[in-house]
Amino acid sequence: GAVVSQHPSWVICKSGTSVKIECRSLDFQATTMFWYRQFPKQSLMLMATSNEGSKATYEQGVEKDKFLINHASLTLSTLTVTSAHPEDSSFYICSARDGAPHGQPQHFGDGTRLSIL
Amino acid sequence: SQQGEEDPQALSIQEGENATMNCSYKTSINNLQWYRQNSGRGLVHLILIRSNEREKHSGRLRVTLDTSKKSSSLLITASRAADTASYFCAASGSARQLTFGSGTQLTVLP
Repeated sequence: GAVVSQHPSWVICKSGTSVKIECRSLDFQATTMFWYRQFPKQSLMLMATSNEGSKATYEQGVEKDKFLINHASLTLSTLTVTSAHPEDSSFYICSARDGAPHGQPQHFGDGTRLSIL
Repeated sequence: SQQGEEDPQALSIQEGENATMNCSYKTSINNLQWYRQNSGRGLVHLILIRSNEREKHSGRLRVTLDTSKKSSSLLITASRAADTASYFCAASGSARQLTFGSGTQLTVLP
């Protein structure tokens, strides 16, 4: 159980393109979803936290107009990288958790590798 | 940065040996979690230890937690080549977010 599906797994596109990444919880209701960014050989950096039906909370230094997050249902959150540029190239990973109290792990998608030419 | 530190950054051992990774964090926690990441993939949850626990076991994994030192360790016993991956600790505080450590790249040689 507790499967998170992330799509697409790999995107290559031209500079200026907007790219949408989907994160779905397949067998549980994800009241909260998290979006992370990971550079090669580095750790995960939290970009934003999204709760179903409300606006996402962005971490300091993350441009909310650049990285649009929508969490319209309990099983789907999307991250749209608008007008992507080469510096946006990275590995983006989502995770999800249900509404259980503290002490439950997050469940991660397999990540999306974004390459902007 | 709120990110924790892990050491060593890289560890290379022979199959059958034990691997120990250490993690330090900066804030008070509700629990600390360990995750594994194979190259180019997402994270897989390994084990969670609550702030009132000192040691926890799961199969070949043993985790310790010292809240007075804000540190944790992950021991993998009788390592296998398939254990080769990056391992991250993640501190979970009151905000229920995870703050990840810098990671340890483990290579188990057959």
